[in-house]
Amino acid sequence: GAGVSQSPSNKVTEKGKDVELRCDPISGHTALYWYRQSLGQGLEFLIYFQGNSAPDKSGLPSDRFSAERTGGSVSTLTIQRTQQEDSAVYLCASSLGSLPGYTFGSGTRLTVV
Amino acid sequence: LAKTTQPISMDSYEGQEVNITCSHNNIATNDYITWYQQFPSQGPRFIIQGYKTKVTNEVASLFIPADRKSSTLSLPRVSLSDTAVYYCLVGDPGDKLIFGTGTRLQVFP
Repeated sequence: GAGVSQSPSNKVTEKGKDVELRCDPISGHTALYWYRQSLGQGLEFLIYFQGNSAPDKSGLPSDRFSAERTGGSVSTLTIQRTQQEDSAVYLCASSLGSLPGYTFGSGTRLTVV
Repeated sequence: LAKTTQPISMDSYEGQEVNITCSHNNIATNDYITWYQQFPSQGPRFIIQGYKTKVTNEVASLFIPADRKSSTLSLPRVSLSDTAVYYCLVGDPGDKLIFGTGTRLQVFP
């Protein structure tokens, strides 16, 4: 597609429920990244996929968070047993893995009530 | 990954040139310097990237001194629509980028 697409754009869930967030990267982009941004804060790195390499999961805050990327394209970020502190905007980005930089989606705003 | 330091906030007026400086003392040989712009409720948008000397595009200029320990993003003749958060990042383009807290630029009429 023309840009990075994320769905849903907004998600309200009850504490303790599982949620899945989807990212469709730009076609042909080999690298895919997930970030989290809490209100008024900077971006927090979560996970990074590059081609067929093992993902860099060093930013995942707990084992309740996981992500997969199927067929080197679409990615799903799953948060199990959501907590109120998980409320944030989850941003996905993709790139060619080299210059000139990332393209971000518009994000999914997750609210845990 | 090189750590960056940039001002938390800056104010300017329409029509002025704005220069935002970023310090990155431990930049590595393979690292590039990249700047992103973020408006409220949107994902960051790539502005400019450089390795050394000066890079210019239709939006901004990036000045990088010979030692590469700092860089300056220059926005010519800002308008109200340039009010945003600007992030300076340093890293290998083939690796993940770590965002700091950015510089919040407020442009006044």
